[in-house]
Amino acid sequence: EVHFLESGGTLAQPGGSLRLSCAASGFTLSGNGMSWVRQAPGKGLELVSNSVSSGGTYYADSVKGRFTISRDNSKNTLYLQMSSLRADDTAVYYCTGHGGASQWGQGTLVTVSS
Amino acid sequence: QAVVTQEPSLTVSPGGTVTLTCGSSTGAVTSGHYPYWIQQKPGQAPRTVIYDTSDKHSWTPARFSGSLLGGKAALTLSGAQPEDEAEYYCLLSYGAARVFGGGTKVTVL
Repeated sequence: EVHFLESGGTLAQPGGSLRLSCAASGFTLSGNGMSWVRQAPGKGLELVSNSVSSGGTYYADSVKGRFTISRDNSKNTLYLQMSSLRADDTAVYYCTGHGGASQWGQGTLVTVSS
Repeated sequence: QAVVTQEPSLTVSPGGTVTLTCGSSTGAVTSGHYPYWIQQKPGQAPRTVIYDTSDKHSWTPARFSGSLLGGKAALTLSGAQPEDEAEYYCLLSYGAARVFGGGTKVTVL
């Protein structure tokens, strides 16, 4: 059974950096598409970044140049490196797979505040 | 960036049928947009009920079905149950990009 476990969310200062992790089990990240999705308090779902099976990546305009998606296949873990954090990055961040692996983790809360 | 549109809210009677739709600002939605339907109940993580237009996960009740209808993606709930009350988000792919709709709040009343 596929499971994703996000971690790394915490209280961060504006302008600061943070790295989120998504550990996969029952599923091999290598060669499969993965996404980071966030949900600000009381708001809808927003695609933050996408890593497709061919190796291409996509970033929402709101995070382009500040966030980087990557993966360590040896650890079967997806990452989201976040920098130049802003208050409007405050959200629960989820990772999810594509297609038949489109399960969701429970999310990790990132709060950006001074 | 494309805009994905959904009905803001729909109400269905218990046991009734309701169809949610998902449109794209770029034109007709096709199977090449790999439509997903994601359910989220208050205080819970999202859960994918339909992916790739009409494929179901093992946990997806049989009363949910996905299709393409009139140039849009559609999620039909036949025989609605109280536990189906939730927000439903459509997700479309545009190459490497993926865009969520604003969500449809389904009330079972």
